[in-house]
Amino acid sequence: DTEVTQTPKHLVMGMTNKKSLKCEQHMGHRAMYWYKQKAKKPPELMFVYSYEKLSINESVPSRFSPECPNSSLLNLHLHALQPEDSALYLCASSQGIRTGGVHGYTFGSGTRLTVV
Amino acid sequence: TQLLEQSPQFLSIQEGENLTVYCNSSSVFSSLQWYRQEPGEGPVLLVTVVTGGEVKKLKRLTFQFGDARKDSSLHITAAQPGDTGLYLCAGMNSGYSTLTFGKGTMLLVSP
Repeated sequence: DTEVTQTPKHLVMGMTNKKSLKCEQHMGHRAMYWYKQKAKKPPELMFVYSYEKLSINESVPSRFSPECPNSSLLNLHLHALQPEDSALYLCASSQGIRTGGVHGYTFGSGTRLTVV
Repeated sequence: TQLLEQSPQFLSIQEGENLTVYCNSSSVFSSLQWYRQEPGEGPVLLVTVVTGGEVKKLKRLTFQFGDARKDSSLHITAAQPGDTGLYLCAGMNSGYSTLTFGKGTMLLVSP
C-alpha cells in the first residue's frame, strides 16, 4: 500500500458545526502532516506529527485541533470555523521528518472543505 | 523564513513545445523536490535532488539542482497535454524539519 487515504473528499459545514477530517496510511511512515491549500496557492503547513507526537504547530488557530491516535491515523477536528477557512486540506506522510527531504512526501487527495 | 521563487507563474503552450520552469532562493537547501498537482488532487512527487549540480531525468522531464544548492530547474521536452498541472518546487533545509514550497507554476499544454 503506497497511498495516503483522506476522508471525506468533500465536506460542507456551518460555522457552528463540529466535524473531523481523517487521514490514513499503511506505509509505516512515522511523520504525518496537515497542509491547507487555497485556490491557486501552494500548500501551507499546519501541523507535523512525528512518532505520534505533535512536533510542529505553525500557529494554527485553536478551532483546528489535530489528533494522532496511532502511527497510521491522523485526524483534524474542526469547530467554529469561518468561511475563510474554506480550502483543500491535504494530509501527507514521510518515512521520518528528516528523511522526508530525501524520499519525499506522499500526499493524499485532500478534503475539499466549504464553510457556510 | 526561507522563500522559494518560481517562474513563470503561468505558462500556456502548444503540444510539442519545450519549456523550462525555474525555482530560485537566496537560501541553501539540503535537498529540493519537484511535485506535480492536478486539480482536486494532492501533489505527486516527481523527483528529489540532493547534490549540488545534480541532474536527473524522468522520461521527457529533466531536473537540475544548482551547484550552490540554491536553485533548480525543470525542463520538459515535447510537452504533451498530459503534462498539464501545477508544478511545485519544495526545499528542505538541514536546520529545519519541513518543506518550504514555492508558489508554483501552472502549466497548460494545448493539443
